[in-house]
Amino acid sequence: DGGITQSPKYLFRKEGQNVTLSCEQNLNHDAMYWYRQDPGQGLRLIYYSQIVNDFQKGDIAEGYSVSREKKESFPLTVTSAQKNPTAFYLCASSIGGSGNGYTFGSGTRLTVV
Amino acid sequence: AQSVTQLDSQVPVFEEAPVELRCNYSSSVSVYLFWYVQYPNQGLQLLLKYLSGSTLVESINGFEAEFNKSQTSFHLRKPSVHISDTAEYFCAVKAAGNKLTFGGGTRVLVKP
Repeated sequence: DGGITQSPKYLFRKEGQNVTLSCEQNLNHDAMYWYRQDPGQGLRLIYYSQIVNDFQKGDIAEGYSVSREKKESFPLTVTSAQKNPTAFYLCASSIGGSGNGYTFGSGTRLTVV
Repeated sequence: AQSVTQLDSQVPVFEEAPVELRCNYSSSVSVYLFWYVQYPNQGLQLLLKYLSGSTLVESINGFEAEFNKSQTSFHLRKPSVHISDTAEYFCAVKAAGNKLTFGGGTRVLVKP
């Protein structure tokens, strides 16, 4: 079945460490997105990519980095510069066309210990 | 640019009672409208969407939403909720060529 796979589901990070969250899709979607979700704050866009080898900052890109070397993959690195990384991270993808919504992965919960 | 306001952050409701989740948006151009549902510790799932045509759209599990252009609203309703409807619901809008913009979410708690 086609879909988006995020891994790991739970991730623990020590302060000062970089961690990478995986997002893979087999839907042949062109665009991919990373969101951060905190209680009571809805979804905030971190980065997005509309085509391979190209990506743009979202609303809260500071302390994060991404790459888009393959159409299927859009990994997110949470760097040590991100001062408050504990959150639920959601990856999504979409096909071209304005009437199409996004397909979401099941999320990764990152906790700083 | 567009924005979305979900007027209620939490809605407690008794089982088998009706529920309405309010969503208002602002945009200078025509938009497409979506409702997503998120169960605890999961991703978002598309519940229903309005693209064009009939202003009343329905989902397979009894939810419906009505697009009101003059009031720039897309409220979500269900005439009789179940315990399994306990979740967070997100309204979202999208203008042609743009990204989805999400509201802040409404948490529905269905009580027995």
